[in-house]
Amino acid sequence: GESVGLHLPTLSVQEGDNSIINCAYSNSASDYFIWYKQESGKGPQFIIDIRSNMDKRQGQRVTVLLNKTVKHLSLQIAATQPGDSAVYFCAENTGGFKTIFGAGTRLFVKA
Amino acid sequence: NAGVMQNPRHLVRRRGQEARLRCSPMKGHSHVYWYRQLPEEGLKFMVYLQKENIIDESGMPKERFSAEFPKEGPSILRIQQVVRGDSAAYFCASSPKIESVGEQYFGPGTRLTVT
Repeated sequence: GESVGLHLPTLSVQEGDNSIINCAYSNSASDYFIWYKQESGKGPQFIIDIRSNMDKRQGQRVTVLLNKTVKHLSLQIAATQPGDSAVYFCAENTGGFKTIFGAGTRLFVKA
Repeated sequence: NAGVMQNPRHLVRRRGQEARLRCSPMKGHSHVYWYRQLPEEGLKFMVYLQKENIIDESGMPKERFSAEFPKEGPSILRIQQVVRGDSAAYFCASSPKIESVGEQYFGPGTRLTVT
């Protein structure tokens, strides 16, 4: 069965604030994690990834944190903008061919 | 460099008909993945193909569903005798090499509606 899930199905933030989207996973063998953004009517778009030998990785306005002790992954978006409104998925990979997606969190950015 | 292309974008079929979904990977990509997404849910892995080979089809139903990625032309996901439960968005993704299994570029999807 699925091993990736999210704590919050929807998140509403004010424009300019920081957003934090959380994800829990249960497969301790997973060694690669990815965050995707999916806008309405479009396919998922890669945002950032992290390998299990790291606990933090930063991109442009985004940071991914990995806590392997509690099997928790988070995506932080700094200075959230209206264009960030979308559904965000975490996904995990155990080194094989199959990427397991979580259920998704819908982010609403209020102007 | 064009991205992953899928067609048709929308497909309506009556129960019992066949649905054929096409995916053209990005140029230079020889690995294709198909996923299925129900409304308000995440993507579910179906099948992973390389040129002329099915590598992993563990997520694909054993009956009515088949996939191929011929030497020439797009990858095809075929659903025979569709039922209402097949209504979903089907996405394909491509990657350049096996080591890039996480680096998948997704197409815009085909939304299948079975009436």
